[in-house]
Amino acid sequence: QVQLQESGPGLVKPSETLSLTCAVSGYSISSGYYWGWIRQPPGKGLEWIGSIYHSGSTYYNPSLKSRVTISVDTSKNQFSLKLSSVTAADTAVYYCARVATTFDYWGQGTLVTVSS
Amino acid sequence: EIVLTQSPGTLSLSPGERATLSCRASQSVSSSYLAWYQQKPGQAPRLLIYGASSRATGIPDRFSGSGSGTDFTLTISRLEPEDFAVYYCQQYGSSPLMYTFGQGTKLEIK
Repeated sequence: QVQLQESGPGLVKPSETLSLTCAVSGYSISSGYYWGWIRQPPGKGLEWIGSIYHSGSTYYNPSLKSRVTISVDTSKNQFSLKLSSVTAADTAVYYCARVATTFDYWGQGTLVTVSS
Repeated sequence: EIVLTQSPGTLSLSPGERATLSCRASQSVSSSYLAWYQQKPGQAPRLLIYGASSRATGIPDRFSGSGSGTDFTLTISRLEPEDFAVYYCQQYGSSPLMYTFGQGTKLEIK
């Protein structure tokens, strides 16, 4: 069974960089699929942030592209998200997921609050 | 960028009733690339339907998807208490590569 688990700080100061990691178990990232990040502001809908392949190939949402970096560590079977210059508008639950043309396996999500 | 608009925003029904949820795209979407998710409070979304009409693994057959082009529908034939949740449609576009979600339909107990 594929399982994903997000980890990282739950509080980030404005203008700083949000950093999260997603650990994958039950499936080797190197075996295929893209792996991605989706976020959901409190009480709102879902927004795709970006996706990465085990080779390092990435795709980002154009609305966030200038601030997003997604990387992969196949030796640890995990991938990571960095979002720079955060504001209160980046406060959200951040999910990691396995990506094809759909998102078929999801982590439980982690709430990141941007506040001083 | 394709925009997905879901209706209604909120649907109030009773257990045992039939639910029909709509997802309309601003331009034509390949049926292969339209999916539906269910999200309960405090939980991650769960994939229900992919390819517009194929049920994901473990999804009961009371859930069905249909549609093509710009109009897609999720139908729940006979509502169970555990079906009351928020439902999202999602499309994948390859040029440029992009995933977009509808704003969601909340299915609540009447």
